[in-house]
Amino acid sequence: GAVVSQHPSRVICKSGTSVKIECRSLDFQATTMFWYRQFPKQSLMLMATSNEGSKATYEQGVEKDKFLINHASLTLSTLTVTSAHPEDSSFYICSARDVERSYEQYFGPGTRLTVT
Amino acid sequence: QKEVEQNSGPLSVPEGAIASLNCTYSDRGSQSFFWYRQYSGKSPELIMSIYSNGDKEDGRFTAQLNKASQYVSLLIRDSQPSDSATYLCAVVSEGGNKLTFGTGTQLKVEL
Repeated sequence: GAVVSQHPSRVICKSGTSVKIECRSLDFQATTMFWYRQFPKQSLMLMATSNEGSKATYEQGVEKDKFLINHASLTLSTLTVTSAHPEDSSFYICSARDVERSYEQYFGPGTRLTVT
Repeated sequence: QKEVEQNSGPLSVPEGAIASLNCTYSDRGSQSFFWYRQYSGKSPELIMSIYSNGDKEDGRFTAQLNKASQYVSLLIRDSQPSDSATYLCAVVSEGGNKLTFGTGTQLKVEL
């Protein structure tokens, strides 16, 4: 149990285009999902907290108009990187919190974004 | 500033030995504690959660929590080369829902 999927696993896009990443909890309901970014050899950086049916809460320094988050159902959250630039190239990982298991968060496999 | 601190390592142990990973946290109100394993190029995988003082065992893993000392540790018995990874300590503060991660300890299990 507690499986989180992410799609796509890897994407290459041109500078200026937008990319959508999907995060799904497959076998549990997740009222809260989280989006992280990780640069090589660095720790995870929380970008935003996604709450089902309400607006996402962004961490300081994260542009909400650039990183659009939608959490339309208890099993799906999406992150759209708008007008991507090479500096947005990173490993994007989502996690979902299982409401039945207290604060345990389960991570998706991640999406490696390369902007050329 | 709420912080979680770990020694970055690398921590090298021989195969079959016990690996001991340590973590301290600054927020005394923290209530939930987790250990994640992250292989290079992969996402973190939850291996242990602990919420109360004492030890919690799961297979070869034992998590230890001491809230008075603001200290949490992970012991890995009979270490295997496949245990070689970065181990992330994560903490949730009281009333919060966000994980605060340490920078991770790189573990190398040598043949």
